[in-house]
Amino acid sequence: GAVVSQHPSRVICKSGTSVKIECRSLDFQATTMFWYRQFPKQSLMLMATSNEGSKATYEQGVEKDKFLINHASLTLSTLTVTSAHPEDSSFYICSLSASGSDTQYFGPGTRLTVL
Amino acid sequence: AQTVTQSQPEMSVQEAETVTLSCTYDTSENNYYLFWYKQPPSRQMILVIRQEAYKQQNATENRFSVNFQKAAKSFSLKISDSQLGDTAMYFCALFTKDSNYQLIWGAGTKLIIKP
Repeated sequence: GAVVSQHPSRVICKSGTSVKIECRSLDFQATTMFWYRQFPKQSLMLMATSNEGSKATYEQGVEKDKFLINHASLTLSTLTVTSAHPEDSSFYICSLSASGSDTQYFGPGTRLTVL
Repeated sequence: AQTVTQSQPEMSVQEAETVTLSCTYDTSENNYYLFWYKQPPSRQMILVIRQEAYKQQNATENRFSVNFQKAAKSFSLKISDSQLGDTAMYFCALFTKDSNYQLIWGAGTKLIIKP
């Protein structure tokens, strides 16, 4: 399977600051990337889907101005949490797939804590 | 609408025993894919097994096998000779083109392997 990295693995920030999370495909050309949020002891909640070179498609209830997604290349997607607040504290996971593929490969996740 | 149901929130077995995790799903599509993902305490999502709906043969990966009952829309995971490293959350997921190439996730089953 594909190797996916995510950086940082853990970040603590003050309320009101912005945080950028990077998701990289190390050996795979990812035409589609997904961003998930996971609360403790719960399943994954899809936030948005991004295709390389296109605007991300956000799920209902996800604020696109708060969670900025950029998928500038086939190997890199970024999620920026703007003006973070304590309620944004969560575990964020990216995954990627090839065009039309059914299989997603996951990054190791980023734990965001907003004080 | 597609749904995935995992009715067992938590299970525990002794090391070396066999355990079966249940998953049922609903979709009106005829062509789809089913997955079991494992999320150990590290929280890295790992693909365990993949099943193509048009294939009648049950998928197997070493100690992991599935019992795919298409008519009953059931997709259980059997882990043989369970090991301590199998302790994890296990998620069942469904992929159909109708779901915009997204994965539909079950709520997960927490599996604990006791020494």
